[in-house]
Amino acid sequence: EDKVVQSPLSLVVHEGDTVTLNCSYEVTNFRSLLWYKQEKKAPTFLFMLTSSGIEKKSGRLSSILDKKELSSILNITATQTGDSAIYLCAVARGGATNKLIFGTGTLLAVQP
Amino acid sequence: GAVVSQHPSWVICKSGTSVKIECRSLDFQATTMFWYRQFPKQSLMLMATSNEGSKATYEQGVEKDKFLINHASLTLSTLTVTSAHPEDSSFYICSSRGPLRGTQETQYFGPGTRLLVL
Repeated sequence: EDKVVQSPLSLVVHEGDTVTLNCSYEVTNFRSLLWYKQEKKAPTFLFMLTSSGIEKKSGRLSSILDKKELSSILNITATQTGDSAIYLCAVARGGATNKLIFGTGTLLAVQP
Repeated sequence: GAVVSQHPSWVICKSGTSVKIECRSLDFQATTMFWYRQFPKQSLMLMATSNEGSKATYEQGVEKDKFLINHASLTLSTLTVTSAHPEDSSFYICSSRGPLRGTQETQYFGPGTRLLVL
């Protein structure tokens, strides 16, 4: 059965800290891995990763995929209270429908 | 990113009534849309894949007669929760596959609809 596992489930840090969120997967016919940020409403897209070892970066956020280890990390440097959210990892399977399989998410709380 | 809208943003209804949720892709044509359900403190669970002009594909355990999906045009998919019960109360989110080459695996989400069944 396909699964996507995220860790930790929750994390509380102070502003300015650096955090690393983990995502591991066991998915047949892997195509890509995506990271989303969910605040009070629907998820917003952060990154899509398809190749191992190539870091994607957007401001203080960065992510990298390791296809050998079947995992990905999402780094956030110099965290701010606005980074508080649930971070979701999803894996896209191959095939016509491109279904996404979501992990359980990591709840990040950044305290002032 | 692509814009996807949902309506209504929230709805409260009595048990036994039916509720229709609309999902629209505003700036591109979406042949495929997805419907998810999210319970509090849980991740998104895919309910069904909605294909324009054909029947939806439901995930295992999702009752197709209870959650009716219609994708009659390239910009609109609807989810109707028939004879809703309190256990159907949840956050329903639709998404659309990215429109452009290289972004087709990216899904853009609507803002979600909170359903509360009394």
